[in-house]
Amino acid sequence: QVQLRESGPGLVKPSQTLSLTCTVSGASITSGNYYWSWIRQPAGKGLEWIGRVYTDGSTYYSPSLKSRVTISIDTSNNQFSLRLNSLSAADTAVYYCARGLSPFDPWGQGSLVTVSS
Amino acid sequence: QSGLTQPPSASGTPGQTVTISCSGSSSNIGSNAVNWYQRLPGTAPKFLIYRNNQRPSGVPDRFSGSRSGTSASLAISGLQSEDEADYYCEAWDDSLRGPVFGGGTKLTVL
Repeated sequence: QVQLRESGPGLVKPSQTLSLTCTVSGASITSGNYYWSWIRQPAGKGLEWIGRVYTDGSTYYSPSLKSRVTISIDTSNNQFSLRLNSLSAADTAVYYCARGLSPFDPWGQGSLVTVSS
Repeated sequence: QSGLTQPPSASGTPGQTVTISCSGSSSNIGSNAVNWYQRLPGTAPKFLIYRNNQRPSGVPDRFSGSRSGTSASLAISGLQSEDEADYYCEAWDDSLRGPVFGGGTKLTVL
């Protein structure tokens, strides 16, 4: 079955850029015409959708994060990535990658990112 | 800050039926389907209910969903200890042009 796994640094300094990669296994990222999404959850808060990329590279971002987010897809390596710049403590969260766009299935295990100096 | 409203906690004893509510607005639940996810401790969120009341393959029929107006609910019947988890609702929001989630409900099996 399809599995997703996030990877990237667990600690990033304020004002810097977060880079996370989601590796898809069990199927080609281009099969099935799926969207691929990033979602995050700050500690003690609810889930927040960040944005999505389609297999043709087109993207759409949450308006609240649009100015700081870039999502890209690398079909040759079966991966898609998230970049979030100008980080602050408010960006500390567990970041999930997922297949789809309402609904989402499956999800990665999540990657905790802490923004701290 | 979540777009949908869920109670932070719910509880029940084994065998009981528990219902978790999810409240939204006309731009999300009022006009789009609701999906539900279950997150067991230490695991990735799992797809539980889609299009308000449909179960993906492998989800027990003890789990059921419904939608009415701008609210939705998830019912779990024959409660089991392994149902202890966080549950999240989600729906597309026409104003945001993206999905919104509930804050999550932590279910405790007493």
